[in-house]
Amino acid sequence: ETGVTQTPRHLVMGMTNKKSLKCEQHLGHNAMYWYKQSAKKPLELMFVYSLEERVENNSVPSRFSPECPNSSHLFLHLHTLQPEDSALYLCASSQEEGIRTFFGQGTRLTVV
Amino acid sequence: QKEVEQDPGPLSVPEGAIVSLNCTYSNSAFQYFMWYRQYSRKGPELLMYTYSSGNKEDGRFTAQVDKSSKYISLFIRDSQPSDSATYLCAMRRGSTLGRLYFGRGTQLTVWP
Repeated sequence: ETGVTQTPRHLVMGMTNKKSLKCEQHLGHNAMYWYKQSAKKPLELMFVYSLEERVENNSVPSRFSPECPNSSHLFLHLHTLQPEDSALYLCASSQEEGIRTFFGQGTRLTVV
Repeated sequence: QKEVEQDPGPLSVPEGAIVSLNCTYSNSAFQYFMWYRQYSRKGPELLMYTYSSGNKEDGRFTAQVDKSSKYISLFIRDSQPSDSATYLCAMRRGSTLGRLYFGRGTQLTVWP
């Protein structure tokens, strides 16, 4: 285990559904991230939170809405997604100025 | 031009072979260079990181960075079937909050 836990591991949702992905880190880090991993594409950074404030939004559509209630928890709220949003969504954490970034196992999302 | 280029493979080698994995990049501001290993259905795990140019060795793994050529390598000696995974190179600028730029990953299979 990396100290970053994501739930659920798998999610199938319709285009009209609303769902949330959850991430929890037990490493005492103060920065958390959402990345998207699609087949045959590099990991894409979606959002960065530092000390619970969003510091970066990488041109992500508004159907993805992040929430960081405290330094240990991160959510990604999903609504009216498209089939092309099907991917592995990875949560990660690090110290703000740290080198090591630790990833969770990911949530495999399928939009039908 | 993509910031980080990595040949996706697949790469297939016999057990005991020396494996060479490579990435090139275009942004001269990158200072930290990482290699992640990702097993199927898992999140990426950090293997090694290097600051600036030079070599770093850890057991059977050696990371090399040549900033003048904007080229990084990971060598695996005496490769084992358990090394079969996707290897992702990643890099970041020195002062940026944890933002990592990834290659597409190279899929490696080591057969017995």
